[in-house]
Amino acid sequence: DAKTTQPPSMDCAEGRAANLPCNHSTISGNEYVYWYRQIHSQGPQYIIHGLKNNETNEMASLIITEDRKSSTLILPHATLRDTAVYYCIVRVEAAGNKLTFGGGTRVLVKP
Amino acid sequence: ETGVTQSPTHLIKTRGQQVTLRCSSQSGHNTVSWYQQALGQGPQFIFQYYREEENGRGNFPPRFSGLQFPNYSSELNVNALELDDSALYLCASTYRKGSSYNEQFFGPGTRLTVL
Repeated sequence: DAKTTQPPSMDCAEGRAANLPCNHSTISGNEYVYWYRQIHSQGPQYIIHGLKNNETNEMASLIITEDRKSSTLILPHATLRDTAVYYCIVRVEAAGNKLTFGGGTRVLVKP
Repeated sequence: ETGVTQSPTHLIKTRGQQVTLRCSSQSGHNTVSWYQQALGQGPQFIFQYYREEENGRGNFPPRFSGLQFPNYSSELNVNALELDDSALYLCASTYRKGSSYNEQFFGPGTRLTVL
């Protein structure tokens, strides 16, 4: 699985959009971009994933650059409950359940 | 709530002992994975079970072993515990159809402390 690079931490104001960047410059053509988050003392939670098109669901939007070397997770209206560590992972969808977690970005949403 | 449960929530063992951790997958899920998460780090993949057989393993020694039962519950066994085995142990379940996997759902984890 390709390696990802994320900023170690970022702050966000409650009610504002949170934009979380991820670099994956060595991503292969068949690798998807996945985002998970882990709220303190809980297991990781799936957020969204995509291959090359932008994706949106009830939790977030995923913007993938045209060259697929980077992506941005957007939380449109951050709440205090969005405070968590956010992990960007790239993997081949058919590669089984193995997720390779990096250090993630620790997001603190402030009132 | 993901429908994935783990027991116990906390456990304290001494070095050299053996431990068994349990996981109950979400209904309908046929694949389970186990992860180890040391304090301040991301989860590390231990292994995966599909149809009661190990189907992928991370960089963990053989003293880490597992079982998956017909009802898709599973166990993680660790023998000869070492201090560095102290961690949060997470299980995750998903549904596999052919070579396609849906997203994984994680349990809350078991916090293991080895003294």
